[in-house]
Amino acid sequence: DAGVIQSPRHEVTEMGQEVTLRCKPISGHDYLFWYRQTMMRGLELLIYFNNNVPIDDSGMPEDRFSAKMPNASFSTLKIQPSEPRDSAVYFCASTNRGLSSYNEQFFGPGTRLTVL
Amino acid sequence: KNQVEQSPQSLIILEGKNCTLQCNYTVSPFSNLRWYKQDTGRGPVSLTIMTFSENTKSNGRYTATLDADTKQSSLHITASQLSDSASYICVVSVPGGGSYIPTFGRGTSLIVHP
Repeated sequence: DAGVIQSPRHEVTEMGQEVTLRCKPISGHDYLFWYRQTMMRGLELLIYFNNNVPIDDSGMPEDRFSAKMPNASFSTLKIQPSEPRDSAVYFCASTNRGLSSYNEQFFGPGTRLTVL
Repeated sequence: KNQVEQSPQSLIILEGKNCTLQCNYTVSPFSNLRWYKQDTGRGPVSLTIMTFSENTKSNGRYTATLDADTKQSSLHITASQLSDSASYICVVSVPGGGSYIPTFGRGTSLIVHP
C-alpha cells in the first residue's frame, strides 16, 4: 500500500485565492482526519469523517474552511478565501477502527501551504 | 486550552547519550496514550501505545512509561543516534464518535549532535 497520499506537497498562493488540498486515505480505512500544524499551536484536529460522513467539524477555524469526502478514497479541504494566517502544514490521516492497536492513525506527508 | 503538555520544548544531546521526554495530560476519560515521532518534512509515525493498564512499553531503543494516577508519561531514548533527531509528540485519546479522538501535545524537538 502506498500509504496516505496528499497533494499538492507545497502550495503558495496569494491572499484571497481559493486553495484546495487533496487526500487519498489508505484503502479499507473508514476514518479520515484533517489536521493543521503550526509552530505555535502544534497539531490541531480540524475535522474527521467516518464512512465518508463528517462526524465532528468543531475544529474548523471558520466558515472559510470546508471539507468533503465524496467517496471512500478521496477527500478535499478547501479554504476560500485564503488568508496569511492560514499558512501551515496540513495533514491528512486515516485509520481503521478494527485495528487491534486501537486508533493508530497513519499520516500523509502533509501539504505545506503558504499564503502571501 | 491544551490538555497535553510536553517538556522540554526542545532538547540537544550528543550522539550515544540517553534522554527522557515528559508528557503530562489532563484529558479524560483516558483511553490510550501514544508517542509519535515526526521527522522534518514528514507526517508523524507511531512509536508506542499504552492503555491505562500498562505502565511500560518498549520499541527498540525507545521505552515509554505511563503513570495513570499522576497522568504522566515519559519517553526514554537509549544510546541516541543521529536519526533520532525529530519531534516527539505525545497524544492522548478519548473514546468518541465510534473511534478514539486524539489530543496532541505540541511536541519536543530533539536534536542529536555527532
